[in-house]
Amino acid sequence: AQRVTQPEKLLSVFKGAPVELKCNYSYSGSPELFWYVQYSRQRLQLLLRHISRESIKGFTADLNKGETSFHLKKPFAQEEDSAMYYCAPNQGGKLIFGQGTELSVKP
Amino acid sequence: DGGITQSPKYLFRKEGQNVTLSCEQNLNHDAMYWYRQDPGQGLRLIYYSQIVNDFQKGDIAEGYSVSREKKESFPLTVTSAQKNPTAFYLCASRDRGNDYGYTFGSGTRLTVV
Repeated sequence: AQRVTQPEKLLSVFKGAPVELKCNYSYSGSPELFWYVQYSRQRLQLLLRHISRESIKGFTADLNKGETSFHLKKPFAQEEDSAMYYCAPNQGGKLIFGQGTELSVKP
Repeated sequence: DGGITQSPKYLFRKEGQNVTLSCEQNLNHDAMYWYRQDPGQGLRLIYYSQIVNDFQKGDIAEGYSVSREKKESFPLTVTSAQKNPTAFYLCASRDRGNDYGYTFGSGTRLTVV
């Protein structure tokens, strides 16, 4: 079955430390891949899409087709990065979410 | 406010009653989606519609129904057949013509007592 896996439910780091949120997918072909973020009491919003290869708020994500991974990285975490992060492939007009990783950045 | 509106924000219903959640968008997006968000389970797709007068079941459609009579509107009915309806429901829309991702509403928290 096609699926996306975010192995860590909770990731806790100190401010200034590097952070990597893991995402592995098992979809065939070349899905569009996105990272969405949900800050406390805010709407779910788009953080990154792999097609654009951009960096948003210091985050980057590289698509590794060999490992079928799309890990989200930031070299120096900030307290305001604390949020829920979802990896989501879009294939066939449907966006399928991973279970999410809660990132907690401590001062 | 964001272009996609869900109402109400909180909804309480008695067990056995059907309830309809509203989702309206003024973004001129073709596609609309309903997700259910439960703690520890992420977001699961209930129904989606890529064009007016057409919709498809998602992964957890049982106990739910939708309609798409207008481009702007995609209401979700939670029927009495849904075994565990208490959850947070999110609506989203997307312009199929670009890759700018999905726009989400602020959600409706449904509690069945």
